[in-house]
Amino acid sequence: QVQLVESGGGLVKPGGSLRLSCAASGFTFSDFSMSWIRQAPGQGLEWLSYVSSGSDYTTYADSVQGRFSISRDNAKNSLYLQMNILRAEDTAVYYCARDRDGPDYWGQGTLVTVSS
Amino acid sequence: ETTLTQSPAFMSATPGDKVNISCKASQDIDDDMNWYQQKPGEAAIFIILEATTLVPGIPPRFSGSGYGTDFTLTINKIESEDAAYYFCLQHDNFPYTFGQGTKLEIK
Repeated sequence: QVQLVESGGGLVKPGGSLRLSCAASGFTFSDFSMSWIRQAPGQGLEWLSYVSSGSDYTTYADSVQGRFSISRDNAKNSLYLQMNILRAEDTAVYYCARDRDGPDYWGQGTLVTVSS
Repeated sequence: ETTLTQSPAFMSATPGDKVNISCKASQDIDDDMNWYQQKPGEAAIFIILEATTLVPGIPPRFSGSGYGTDFTLTINKIESEDAAYYFCLQHDNFPYTFGQGTKLEIK
């Protein structure tokens, strides 16, 4: 069955960096686009970024454009989110999702806390 | 950017009830609307795609309707296991956007 497992979350200081990973299994990873989504405490969901199956197309939400970078390694069935210049408002649970006409399968998320 | 206005934010229902959750888009998004269910600590589950198509494996008491700007998720004959957070998402254009979510409580 499709499984997506995020990792790499934790506590980081404002201005710091963090790299999230998402390990995919149960499907042919290289056939699917992928997205990152987050949910801040007590807030709604926010889509962050998308990468096409072959990495030829990426796009970002304005809130993270220029600070976050999405990438993937199809040989390792893995998706990544490099997060730089982190702010307190980036504190959230981060989810990866397989994307076929919108997200279909989601991971359980990894918590990122930005605090001094 | 397409804004989705989802209502109600909270609802309480009794087993056997029928409930409707609304999601209104700020512009025409054809049928590019998905619905999801999420329970605390669990991954979100995809329940309706393209506004009206039930995802395989999802109970038929769930259904979706709408096109353009007005969409509805309907749950017929609610069961206790349906207590969850429900949200809509539009994938007609980037950035994808979400409704604010509906917390469904079962009495």
